[in-house]
Amino acid sequence: DAMVIQNPRYQVTQFGKPVTLSCSQTLNHNVMYWYQQKSSQAPKLLFHYYDKDFNNEADTPDNFQSRRPNTSFCFLDIRSPGLGDAAMYLCATRASGVGTKETQYFGPGTRLLVL
Amino acid sequence: SQQGEEDPQALSIQEGENATMNCSYKTSINNLQWYRQNSGRGLVHLILIRSNEREKHSGRLRVTLDTSKKSSSLLITASRAADTASYFCATVLSSSARQLTFGSGTQLTVLP
Repeated sequence: DAMVIQNPRYQVTQFGKPVTLSCSQTLNHNVMYWYQQKSSQAPKLLFHYYDKDFNNEADTPDNFQSRRPNTSFCFLDIRSPGLGDAAMYLCATRASGVGTKETQYFGPGTRLLVL
Repeated sequence: SQQGEEDPQALSIQEGENATMNCSYKTSINNLQWYRQNSGRGLVHLILIRSNEREKHSGRLRVTLDTSKKSSSLLITASRAADTASYFCATVLSSSARQLTFGSGTQLTVLP
């Protein structure tokens, strides 16, 4: 019954080696978000998609990119991971439109370790 | 940039006691939401309160909002060990820009 699925749950990569994290949803929500959460800190929004429209936060590093090939899937690409990119990466979805709730539904997260 | 600050950063109570967490924010908001995060997991939405509301209840949860002071509180009554988690407030600034901006969070520990 998982609604927002993130794979893998744990990802180990090497310094500078590109890595892709994936998110899928069964809710048919048109808005999808990627957050970065470092240890004991608040989640920080990296970017979001409103349907196919990509919205980048101003302070999201260029090293981070995203793809959304269809409604159900969204990917986070880290081109050259640095040690400072080790974090939990959270995917979330939200329905939009009149009468929809404004709550976000989060996946369980992918914990990224950079060696 | 971080919109909200929460206090306390950490709270430890006995099972059965009430837990109160506070959140302050900087700019006018459309609504404020509270989320819970168990260790190493995603966030779960608890409750939403709109800027024209002052208080909302959901089960053992009570949320208040004071827009004049730009603050909110979350009260968990009759706490249980299973309530142990981090609790985050998050603000939505406008009905057009609906991104969540999270506060720093409160780590609640309920001792059995």
